[in-house]
Amino acid sequence: EVQLVESGEGLVQPGSSMKLSCVASGFTFSNYGMNWIRQAPKKGLEWIALIYYDSSSKYYADSVKGRFTISRDNSKNTLYLEMNSLRSEDTAMYYCAKGAGGDYWGQGVMVTVSS
Amino acid sequence: DVVMTQTPPSLSVAIGQSVSISCKSSQSLVYSDGKTYLHWLLQSPGRSPKRLIYQVSNLGSGVPDRFSGTGSQKDFTLKISRVEAEDLGVYYCAQTTHFPLTFGSGTKLEIK
Repeated sequence: EVQLVESGEGLVQPGSSMKLSCVASGFTFSNYGMNWIRQAPKKGLEWIALIYYDSSSKYYADSVKGRFTISRDNSKNTLYLEMNSLRSEDTAMYYCAKGAGGDYWGQGVMVTVSS
Repeated sequence: DVVMTQTPPSLSVAIGQSVSISCKSSQSLVYSDGKTYLHWLLQSPGRSPKRLIYQVSNLGSGVPDRFSGTGSQKDFTLKISRVEAEDLGVYYCAQTTHFPLTFGSGTKLEIK
C-alpha cells in the first residue's frame, strides 16, 4: 500500500524558516518524481514544486521561487521542502504527492505563518 | 501559465442522478509525446485529494466505473453516472503538461 506521511507542521513568525518532510512507503521511491502542493484555508490547490526521481531537475512556482527548496534522499525514501523567508500568504496545508500526475497524496501538514 | 477554467462552481444532485463537470484550458494540453496530461481529482470533506482519472480518460486504481473522462486539446469533461453519497466533495481538474502545473478552481458537489 502506498503511503506518504508528511511532518514538520507548525506555527512560525513571518520571515522565519521551516522544513517539511514526507516519508514514502509502498513503492520504489527512487523511481518517481515527487511534488509539493499546498492549499490555503478554504481555497483551492496550488502546485509549488516538483523534483525528478534522481534530483536532476527541480521546478518551482513563481510564488515560492528563490525562497523554497525541494530535495530528496532516496536512501531514506524521504522528500523535503525547505521554506525560507516565510510570509503570511504561505499559510496553508502542505501535501506531498507521488508522480507528476499526483496519483497518491499524503494527509498534509498545516503551516501557519503569523506574528 | 495555463489557466484551467472549471464549471459549474457548484452542483446539487440527487442520489442516482448523473452529472458532468467541464474543464477548459487556456492552451492545448497535448504534450510533445502525443499524450494529454489532464487529470481529475476529488477532495472529500476533511480529506486530502485523491486522483480519480489520469490522462483524460484512464480510471485510477480502485475508482468505480461510474466515473468517466472525455475530451481533447483544451476541452474536457468529467461525468459521474448514478451519483452516490460518497461522491460529495470538491472536484478539481489538473494539468501536468506545462510548467507550472495548474489546477482548476474546483466544483463542489453536494447531495440533495
